[in-house]
Amino acid sequence: DQQVKQNSPSLSVQEGRISILNCDYTNSMFDYFLWYKKYPAEGPTFLISISSIKDKNEDGRFTVFLNKSAKHLSLHIVPSQPGDSAVYFCAASGEYGNKLVFGAGTILRVKS
Amino acid sequence: NAGVTQTPKFRVLKTGQSMTLLCAQDMNHEYMYWYRQDPGMGLRLIHYSVGEGTTAKGEVPDGYNVSRLKKQNFLLGLESAAPSQTSVYFCASSYPQGGFQETQYFGPGTRLLVL
Repeated sequence: DQQVKQNSPSLSVQEGRISILNCDYTNSMFDYFLWYKKYPAEGPTFLISISSIKDKNEDGRFTVFLNKSAKHLSLHIVPSQPGDSAVYFCAASGEYGNKLVFGAGTILRVKS
Repeated sequence: NAGVTQTPKFRVLKTGQSMTLLCAQDMNHEYMYWYRQDPGMGLRLIHYSVGEGTTAKGEVPDGYNVSRLKKQNFLLGLESAAPSQTSVYFCASSYPQGGFQETQYFGPGTRLLVL
């Protein structure tokens, strides 16, 4: 049973528009959430994170929103750029120091 | 700094063969991890280590063994490879930050094909 779900396998967005990637989780013990970005033939790279004590965290063009009551988080990319085309993984953790649980990933394609 | 490196990048094995995947990090990180990535499954934790000489099982440990003899290295072994172990393997490392969740840094991956 997947504890972290990314229900959209892929998303296609026009350059300059907003990209919204969604993630749902089932484990109420999760208290820290991360987004990773992965290009083909490379390892995932950390993008942005949020602690459960917050509902929003912003870093440049990237904003993560957390809705704890709905057990839902989303990643907003504004404006989207062709270089943002990659696989985005949502991950969650409920214990200090280890054991990230990953979603299956969403492929984002930004068209120019 | 090279960050996290993995050796080899690609390998083909026959069923029943053994091999060792090497992960090395030069960031002085305490924690190291091995994941596998399969289509539609995301990354799943195989084994991890919270320090030199320690290892622990993750979500999918069966068929794998690990060793952390040196702080900078984390080895993943397959004693008798099976086709179900065909996957992309990622190593990661992180540094505990006193009560706050730390970021994991990933290597480029090893693509393994078991025939």
